[in-house]
Amino acid sequence: ILNVEQSPQSLHVQEGDSTNFTCSFPSSNFYALHWYRWETAKSPEALFVMTLNGDEKKKGRISATLNTKEGYSYLYIKGSQPEDSATYLCAFRGGTASKLTFGTGTRLQVTL
Amino acid sequence: NAGVTQTPKFRVLKTGQSMTLLCAQDMNHEYMYWYRQDPGMGLRLIHYSVGEGTTAKGEVPDGYNVSRLKKQNFLLGLESAAPSQTSVYFCASSYGQSNSPLHFGNGTRLTVT
Repeated sequence: ILNVEQSPQSLHVQEGDSTNFTCSFPSSNFYALHWYRWETAKSPEALFVMTLNGDEKKKGRISATLNTKEGYSYLYIKGSQPEDSATYLCAFRGGTASKLTFGTGTRLQVTL
Repeated sequence: NAGVTQTPKFRVLKTGQSMTLLCAQDMNHEYMYWYRQDPGMGLRLIHYSVGEGTTAKGEVPDGYNVSRLKKQNFLLGLESAAPSQTSVYFCASSYGQSNSPLHFGNGTRLTVT
């Protein structure tokens, strides 16, 4: 079973704060790293799919970086807003496997 | 465009009963997946399919069976439900295993008493 770990488990920030979370995954046999945003009572929605070491992706105020050699990815949110409150999941795909292994997520709460 | 549709949304079963969860996607995706979500456990893969007529086991396949007779549908069956199968079940689909993100259904909350 692949070990995909996310930290912190939960985070509580004020509106306007910038924040970041970490996803750690096996550094060998890397194929792709996914980030998803999961709002309460909804289903997960894809943010990024990253495949290359050093990759950086950005969508609005959210960005992500990838280091496949050391096995980690960071997700950054600049100027957090209450609507950013959600659980952020990362998922790792190794080698040619068809399976995607998810971390347990970082739950972000943004208050006014 | 409906995306990924799961039925039913909720279900309560008694121990030993059987049921089938249906997942339908209208995006012509090759890959389909069934996950279960339990508190503190993350999404765990039950079974998946890489195309019509194919299925494969995921992390936690015991007690479940699946079928992919049509490309757009992926069925998850519980032959004899157990309380340990109380969970929220999510179906997902993707174009393939490369750079394709997963598209999720809205989930099915199953309680086994």
